[in-house]
Amino acid sequence: GEDVEQSLFLSVREGDSSVINCTYTDSSSTYLYWYKQEPGAGLQLLTYIFSNMDMKQDQRLTVLLNKKDKHLSLRIADTQTGDSAIYFCAENRYSTLTFGKGTMLLVSP
Amino acid sequence: EADIYQTPRYLVIGTGKKITLECSQTMGHDKMYWYQQDPGMELHLIHYSYGVNSTEKGDLSSESTVSRIRTEHFPLTLESARPSHTSQYLCASSGTGSNQPQHFGDGTRLSIL
Repeated sequence: GEDVEQSLFLSVREGDSSVINCTYTDSSSTYLYWYKQEPGAGLQLLTYIFSNMDMKQDQRLTVLLNKKDKHLSLRIADTQTGDSAIYFCAENRYSTLTFGKGTMLLVSP
Repeated sequence: EADIYQTPRYLVIGTGKKITLECSQTMGHDKMYWYQQDPGMELHLIHYSYGVNSTEKGDLSSESTVSRIRTEHFPLTLESARPSHTSQYLCASSGTGSNQPQHFGDGTRLSIL
C-alpha cells in the first residue's frame, strides 16, 4: 500500500521503555521524522534520521531504521507520565511529508 | 522553538458564515502547509505553498481556499461554513530544501453549529 503505518495505541508503566513502530513506503525518502502531539497542541518535532543512518540517539530517544524492511522505530527510555501523547512518524515524499495515523502512548504511574 | 502562530485557537460559529483562519510565521520559511486533523488523529494535507503567489491543493479535497501574498502569512478561508467543516486545522512551515522538517502551530479547533 501507499500508507505510512503505525500501531494505534501503546500502554506502558512509568519507568519502562516504550517502543513505537512505523513502516513507510517510499524507499527514496531521505529523511524520516518523529513528531509528538500533546492534547490541544500542534505537532512538535522530536527527532529525525537520515536514510543512510541505522540509528540515532538523542538523550532518552533512540531511533532505529531498517531500510531493507522500511521499518522505523522510536524507543523512549525511562518513560515518564509527561511522555503521554500521540506520536507520528512521517516520511518526505514529493517535497511534502506523509504522516502515519499516529500512535497514542499512555503512561500509567 | 518554532515561531508559527495560529489564530483563533478556538472558534464556534454558525452554518453559512465566512471564516478565515490565520497563520503567520516569523522564520522566513518559503513553504507553508495546512492540515485538517480528524478526531481520530489522522492528518490530511489540504493546501500548501512553496512561496509567494504559489498555492497547491493537497491530498484531501477541501472546500477551503488559501492565499499567499506575503511570505509570512498563509490564511485559510471557508466561504460558507458547514457542520462537516468541524475539525482541527493545523498550519506548518518549513525552510528551503526538500528535507527540511515542518514546524507546526498550535492549531485552530473549529466547530460549526
